[in-house]
Amino acid sequence: DAGVIQSPRHEVTEMGQEVTLRCKPISGHDYLFWYRQTMMRGLELLIYFNNNVPIDDSGMPEDRFSAKMPNASFSTLKIQPSEPRDSAVYFCASSLDVDNEQFFGPGTRLTVL
Amino acid sequence: RKEVEQDPGPFNVPEGATVAFNCTYSNSASQSFFWYRQDCRKEPKLLMSVYSSGNEDGRFTAQLNRASQYISLLIRDSKLSDSATYLCVVHDMRFGAGTRLTVKP
Repeated sequence: DAGVIQSPRHEVTEMGQEVTLRCKPISGHDYLFWYRQTMMRGLELLIYFNNNVPIDDSGMPEDRFSAKMPNASFSTLKIQPSEPRDSAVYFCASSLDVDNEQFFGPGTRLTVL
Repeated sequence: RKEVEQDPGPFNVPEGATVAFNCTYSNSASQSFFWYRQDCRKEPKLLMSVYSSGNEDGRFTAQLNRASQYISLLIRDSKLSDSATYLCVVHDMRFGAGTRLTVKP
């Protein structure tokens, strides 16, 4: 298996633009997680899905952020409109169960100018 | 108080040294604990799970103290390749801020 796949790996955009981050989890994993990592705040859980259903989105910063999982092999995290403070590395991870090892993708490094 | 707190670091140690990290958590109902390792500009990867009875994997030992609500990671005979950031994880999916370790020749 190729592991968790994320795209794009790097994204540079201007304030106000829409940004869409993509994730393909490991096949057979029922849980998918989106995290954001910054120097100031560390690694923060944004939202996680179980069998494509959002379970906990309490970490989503505000209404500008939305996440979807239309099927077991694909998820998106959208920011609209983007702001400079959204600049961070966004990781997607998947696991067999909520308390099992999480496998992280390589991350998307987002810069909002 | 943060849900998961780690030693701030950074830790700079010579090769061969023994180094220990602690991580405290606030949710007494937490049942699962892990240590992850993150190399610079890479994704976190599982280092080891932490079991109630404590567990060892080569030079690495993890322990859990439920009464005091902390977990620890001990690295013996540290190698240059151990240089990384170590993240403790307390479920549900709460990561510590990480402790940076640099092992020097």
